[in-house]
Amino acid sequence: DAKTTQPPSMDCAEGRAANLPCNHSTISGNEYVYWYRQIHSQGPQYIIHGLKNNETNEMASLIITEDRKSSTLILPHATLRDTAVYYCIPRGNNNDMRFGAGTRLTVKP
Amino acid sequence: GAGVSQSPSNKVTEKGKDVELRCDPISGHTALYWYRQSLGQGLEFLIYFQGNSAPDKSGLPSDRFSAERTGGSVSTLTIQRTQQEDSAVYLCASSFQPSYEQYFGPGTRLTVT
Repeated sequence: DAKTTQPPSMDCAEGRAANLPCNHSTISGNEYVYWYRQIHSQGPQYIIHGLKNNETNEMASLIITEDRKSSTLILPHATLRDTAVYYCIPRGNNNDMRFGAGTRLTVKP
Repeated sequence: GAGVSQSPSNKVTEKGKDVELRCDPISGHTALYWYRQSLGQGLEFLIYFQGNSAPDKSGLPSDRFSAERTGGSVSTLTIQRTQQEDSAVYLCASSFQPSYEQYFGPGTRLTVT
């Protein structure tokens, strides 16, 4: 499985867009990029996933570079409730989700 | 609809006792997963079920750990002769099919004293 690099922490002002980067330069052709988040003391929450094309849902947008070596999760209007650890997870045919250290996002008023 | 549920939410047990943790997946989800998360650590994969069979038990840390799934729905994770290092949050997830996104339950916090 591809290794990922995410900044350990980021801050964002409430109401502003939060842009969370992930480097996955060793990603293979059949691996999707999944994003999850974990709010303190809760189970991980699925956000979005994609293969090549940019994706958008009610929670976030996912921008994947053309070479697929990196991606960015965008929370368009961050709220205090978006404070969490965000995980970028390349996933191919393996059964489990392999969570790394993630990025701790703190949304500040 | 209802998400993944787990019970109990908290369990305190004495070292050496057996414990059972329960997971109710989302209705219609064929795949079920167990993970654990020690304090301040990442998630550790334990076992995966497709229907009632467990094709991947690679993550079970020792033979004290076992899991079963009946009727393609509810799953039970059993830890025998608990040790203090078993203290963690045990998380269950389910997905419609194995390659689909996983939805996690709230977890069971196990404390072994």
